Amino acid sequence: DSGVTQTPKHLITATGQRVTLRCSPRSGDLSVYWYQQSLDQGLQFLIQYYNGEERAKGNILERFSAQQFPDLHSELNLSSLELGDSALYFCASSVSGAANTGELFFGEGSRLTVL
Amino acid sequence: GENVEQHPSTLSVQEGDSAVIKCTYSDSASNYFPWYKQELGKGPQLIIDIRSNVGEKKDQRIAVTLNKTAKHFSLHITETQPEDSAVYFCAAIADQGAQKLVFGQGTRLTINP
Repeated sequence: DSGVTQTPKHLITATGQRVTLRCSPRSGDLSVYWYQQSLDQGLQFLIQYYNGEERAKGNILERFSAQQFPDLHSELNLSSLELGDSALYFCASSVSGAANTGELFFGEGSRLTVL
Repeated sequence: GENVEQHPSTLSVQEGDSAVIKCTYSDSASNYFPWYKQELGKGPQLIIDIRSNVGEKKDQRIAVTLNKTAKHFSLHITETQPEDSAVYFCAAIADQGAQKLVFGQGTRLTINP
């Protein structure tokens, strides 16, 4: 158990809809990272928050947004969903604001299926 | 930006044999190279990492080698066991832009009993 909690574990929805994925980082971790893992694809970095502030953006679509709340949990909002958004979405957390200073702890992911 | 290529995409070895997974990176400024293992239904977990100031690092049956000149690094697993079956990801990152850990495409390793 990494200590990172993601909900929901599975989500099935229709095209055009909006969903929210939630992540609670490990106790004490200030950074939250969101990654997308599509079928046969590696882990694509979406966005990072550190202590409530956006720290870095990757290839995140404009239809997607995220935020980190004062209690450090984070939410990833996906809107106007398309079939191609079906993927496994991972949240990871770390103590520091940089991913090269130590381990990223990943949750078990939220599997999104868009029909 | 950084680009990480990983090979092979699938690897099948007999239990007890060794397995090697190779990665190349594009950004010569990259100086941190972790390896993550993803078991079925789980999130990736760090198994070993190496920084650019060393050429090799070992931890029991796993080792990582780094060739900065050629910009490639490799994961070596010796005496493979069934529990080594998983998807392995390499990654690379530089100090600048140090939030964007770039992962390879992954290698599905299967250990045959």
